[in-house]
Amino acid sequence: EADIYQTPRYLVIGTGKKITLECSQTMGHDKMYWYQQDPGMELHLIHYSYGVNSTEKGDLSSESTVSRIRTEHFPLTLESARPSHTSQYLCASSDQNEQFFGPGTRLTVL
Amino acid sequence: KNQVEQSPQSLIILEGKNCTLQCNYTVSPFSNLRWYKQDTGRGPVSLTIMTFSENTKSNGRYTATLDADTKQSSLHITASQLSDSASYICVVRPPRGGADGLTFGKGTHLIIQP
Repeated sequence: EADIYQTPRYLVIGTGKKITLECSQTMGHDKMYWYQQDPGMELHLIHYSYGVNSTEKGDLSSESTVSRIRTEHFPLTLESARPSHTSQYLCASSDQNEQFFGPGTRLTVL
Repeated sequence: KNQVEQSPQSLIILEGKNCTLQCNYTVSPFSNLRWYKQDTGRGPVSLTIMTFSENTKSNGRYTATLDADTKQSSLHITASQLSDSASYICVVRPPRGGADGLTFGKGTHLIIQP
C-alpha cells in the first residue's frame, strides 16, 4: 500500500467555515495532485505541484488553494466552504511511472 | 477533447463468475493505459498498466487487453470474489507525460453477490 495519507477522512462542516485538508507522502515524490470526485463520476484534477514552491491549477476550476512548502506536504484550503464544495477529495503523488492515491477526504458542507 | 468512455456503468454478477469491463478512448497516441480499482470510500489502486505497444497484461485474476487500432481496452476478472466489489477506472496518459494530463473514465461499478 502506498505511503500517502490524508486527514481528516470525513468532515462535516457548516457553510462559511474555513477548512484545510491535509495530505502527506513519505515516498519523496516531487509531483503531487488534488482531485475532486463526485459519486459515479470521474476524477477531476483541481491542483497539482511539481515540487516545493510550485503550484498549478488543474482542469476543473476550484475555489480552493494549495501550498507546497515541503516536499512531503500538500495541503488544500477552502477559505469559505459552501454546499457546492461537498465532494470527495483525493490527493495523489507520482514517480516516473505511477500515480499513488491517498484514501480521500469525504467533505460535506451543510 | 480527449475522452475515456467506460461500459457498463454498473454490473452485478454472482460470486465465482467471470466478467469483462470495457474502455473506449480517443487519446492517441498515448504513453500508457492503466486500470485502477477503487473501493468505496478509498483512493484508486493500480491494477495493470500497458504501454501503446502492449496488448495484454495480467495481475492475478485480472487481465487487461489493449487494441490500439480500435482504441479499446478491456479488463477481464476471472472467478470473481466478494472483495472484487468496487469501481474500476480506466485512465489514459498522453505521451507528453506529466500526470496532469491524465484522462479518467467515470468507472464501472461492479457488485459481486454471494
